[in-house]
Amino acid sequence: DTAVSQTPKYLVTQMGNDKSIKCEQNLGHDTMYWYKQDSKKFLKIMFSYNNKELIINETVPNRFSPKSPDKAHLNLHINSLELGDSAVYFCASSLRQGYNQPQHFGDGTRLSIL
Amino acid sequence: GIQVEQSPPDLILQEGANSTLRCNFSDSVNNLQWFHQNPWGQLINLFYIPSGTKQNGRLSATTVATERYSLLYISSSQTTDSGVYFCASSGAGSYQLTFGKGTKLSVIP
Repeated sequence: DTAVSQTPKYLVTQMGNDKSIKCEQNLGHDTMYWYKQDSKKFLKIMFSYNNKELIINETVPNRFSPKSPDKAHLNLHINSLELGDSAVYFCASSLRQGYNQPQHFGDGTRLSIL
Repeated sequence: GIQVEQSPPDLILQEGANSTLRCNFSDSVNNLQWFHQNPWGQLINLFYIPSGTKQNGRLSATTVATERYSLLYISSSQTTDSGVYFCASSGAGSYQLTFGKGTKLSVIP
């Protein structure tokens, strides 16, 4: 029973392409997140959604567009991929916004741009 | 925003040894979490501990919010404890986690 699942696990693609990463959680949580982990292992939040509404949008290029069709899903679409987008992208969820709760992470998607 | 600093950056232990990892934060916090990233890259939430002490098996954590630090204790370390340990926190009025740079732990047999 995977709590937070991301697909694909690995994504290798050419510069300039458009790609999507999917995330689903079966924990019944209201809040979901996208994080980026760079080559030095530094983790930084990109977006947060609460019950399908965007609540955090860090300084991220507008080539990155999150979409939440329902509160159990938060997908990340990336247009015109660049070399600097190579990283591991993690999806996470927590119970609800406005309450500090443990965050639970997916296994990550390793994106490599050729 | 809040600053989160972890020490040491790297730690090598003999199997069976104990260790203490430290996390300092720059402001009052309402949220403090410890994570373990294993060698396969998975991030596991170890503790949600904005204050006080918690224990889970060989691991325990203590946060002294008034002095702006948290400690993660690992006792009788095992090779499976290897990986990177992250501390993350959010300041008062924020729900956005800021991560430290991590402590890379290597436990050798």
